[in-house]
Amino acid sequence: AIQLTQSPSSLSASVGDRVSITCRASQGIGSAVAWYQQKPGKVSKLLMYDASTLESGVPSRFSGSASGTDFTLTISSLQPEDFATYYCQQFNNYPLTFGGGTKVEIK
Amino acid sequence: QAQLVESGGGVVQPGRSLRVSCAASGFTFNSYAMHWVRQAPGKGPEWVAVISYDGIYKSYADSVKGRFTISRVNSQNTLHLQMNSLTTEDTAKYSCARAQGLNGDVFDMWGQGTMVTVSS
Repeated sequence: AIQLTQSPSSLSASVGDRVSITCRASQGIGSAVAWYQQKPGKVSKLLMYDASTLESGVPSRFSGSASGTDFTLTISSLQPEDFATYYCQQFNNYPLTFGGGTKVEIK
Repeated sequence: QAQLVESGGGVVQPGRSLRVSCAASGFTFNSYAMHWVRQAPGKGPEWVAVISYDGIYKSYADSVKGRFTISRVNSQNTLHLQMNSLTTEDTAKYSCARAQGLNGDVFDMWGQGTMVTVSS
């Protein structure tokens, strides 16, 4: 199975900060990566797919990029509603796998 | 408004069975593949199974293969996961998720989940 290693596992940031989360795949997966946001008591939300395509309705402060087996989710200006846990997921092949998550907390 | 609502979770003893269900509304259920994803307390999500829009194609994670069965009843807009021979390792919140139309293995809608606790 393809392993996804997310870093950092947690970070503290302030409103307005630029934040980046990295997801490294254990082997080549093209651009078959999606990113999700998870908040306690809320349903998970798709943010990005195909590494850099923004899901409809997701604010443009979210962006994604890819370089080889490294994938990055960037929030250009952190907003109060962005404090959450973020997961990457690969859909290049089965079994579908997720990263370990990055918890974004308020500094 | 489109939504997915799971039900059927609870506490079950090791070795026993349980069926969880997912009721879909607000979209054309029989046009979408559906997945089950689980998340153990304090852990990241783990994909469990997928079923095609017509119920013909199914695939499972190795950890549940041979024990779990995914199924759907399109006339009732319902997805099921039959779980047999449960172990403590199966303790998790089980969520159904809709497959995105463009990428069948991207989850564009999730339910809130139903908690399954396997304990003696």
